[in-house]
Amino acid sequence: NAGVMQNPRHLVRRRGQEARLRCSPMKGHSHVYWYRQLPEEGLKFMVYLQKENIIDESGMPKERFSAEFPKEGPSILRIQQVVRGDSAAYFCASSPPSARLEEAFFGQGTRLTVV
Amino acid sequence: ELKVEQNPLFLSMQEGKNYTIYCNYSTTSDRLYWYRQDPGKSLESLFVLLSNGAVKQEGRLMASLDTKARLSTLHITAAVHDLSATYFCAVDEGAQKLVFGQGTRLTINP
Repeated sequence: NAGVMQNPRHLVRRRGQEARLRCSPMKGHSHVYWYRQLPEEGLKFMVYLQKENIIDESGMPKERFSAEFPKEGPSILRIQQVVRGDSAAYFCASSPPSARLEEAFFGQGTRLTVV
Repeated sequence: ELKVEQNPLFLSMQEGKNYTIYCNYSTTSDRLYWYRQDPGKSLESLFVLLSNGAVKQEGRLMASLDTKARLSTLHITAAVHDLSATYFCAVDEGAQKLVFGQGTRLTINP
């Protein structure tokens, strides 16, 4: 079991470009959560998805950010027209169909740097 | 809105000493998690505390939860260098959301 896989691990984008972050959940997990960690801060919830459904996106900025978890393939967090303030570590976690957070595991994160 | 506060935020201690990290939260919850994060790495789950009075221990770390006081503690006994990391508590807000504290950066000096 390879664990939660995120790629790329590091991503550099110029202001105005798009960033696509991928998260492959653990085998057998059907729930994905995205969190953002700004430098020197704790993680902040962004969005919770099940396959083909966004369950809760209350932590997502209203503009430029979107997330999906298609029937096949990884979950994608997409940031359009990136700005310097988007520089952060983005972590995803996955949990099994029981959706018990105590059974969730985090990936190693994607560190986005906007220059 | 649930707020989670940890203290101290920075802690430098000598090997062999004992210390406690505190995690206070603002609204009712009976599920609390402790994680460890090494620089540039992901979060490693340390403890899951699921009820008032829960106490869990693993090696030199012990965590407890007092839901009435809205307080959890992470106690480090006879610290060793390998425990140097950032420790986060996170409270289950419900609806599959965790609210994290700011983290405590622990440095253990030989």
